[in-house]
Amino acid sequence: EAQVTQNPRYLITVTGKKLTVTCSQNMNHEYMSWYRQDPGLGLRQIYYSMNVEVTDKGDVPEGYKVSRKEKRNFPLILESPSPNQTSLYFCASARDRRTDTQYFGPGTRLTVL
Amino acid sequence: GIQVEQSPPDLILQEGANSTLRCNFSDSVNNLQWFHQNPWGQLINLFYIPSGTKQNGRLSATTVATERYSLLYISSSQTTDSGVYFCAVEPKAAGNKLTFGGGTRVLVKP
Repeated sequence: EAQVTQNPRYLITVTGKKLTVTCSQNMNHEYMSWYRQDPGLGLRQIYYSMNVEVTDKGDVPEGYKVSRKEKRNFPLILESPSPNQTSLYFCASARDRRTDTQYFGPGTRLTVL
Repeated sequence: GIQVEQSPPDLILQEGANSTLRCNFSDSVNNLQWFHQNPWGQLINLFYIPSGTKQNGRLSATTVATERYSLLYISSSQTTDSGVYFCAVEPKAAGNKLTFGGGTRVLVKP
């Protein structure tokens, strides 16, 4: 089954404790992206990747890191999480950024205390 | 940066009704997409529509790039159409970044 998977789905952590949210797709897509969704602020793009080893900042990259060492995986790293990073995070992938449908993962709900 | 405004913010429909959602943007764009988030949080990409008109079942979308707006039409609405509809644009001046509007929350009543 074609899908985008994210892990964990739910995470409660404390300020400053490094964490990684994994994202994996099995569709051989070139494009992958991370978004966060917050009440009143809607969806905002954090980072995106046009292909392996190519990543770029979205609208809200501060406090996040990403890597794209292989096509299928695009982990989101929070080196020192803070409470303002409490949010719902979505990963997405697409065959081609310009013309193709994005497929979304189920979301990861992160709470930073 | 680019401003993306959606209207109306909320919409209540009786099942079977038609409706139009609007997305206005403040600058030239390379790309415009429409998304639907269902009440359980799942996100689906509905249309990639930088210009022109596309149809997918009961949904259709039209983008008039020169006038900086896009419309999403829902015809013969069903309860499964409930959720939040987002538009997102890729500004010409901002590389490949995607900026979202605030969304239109739609409730279709049986």
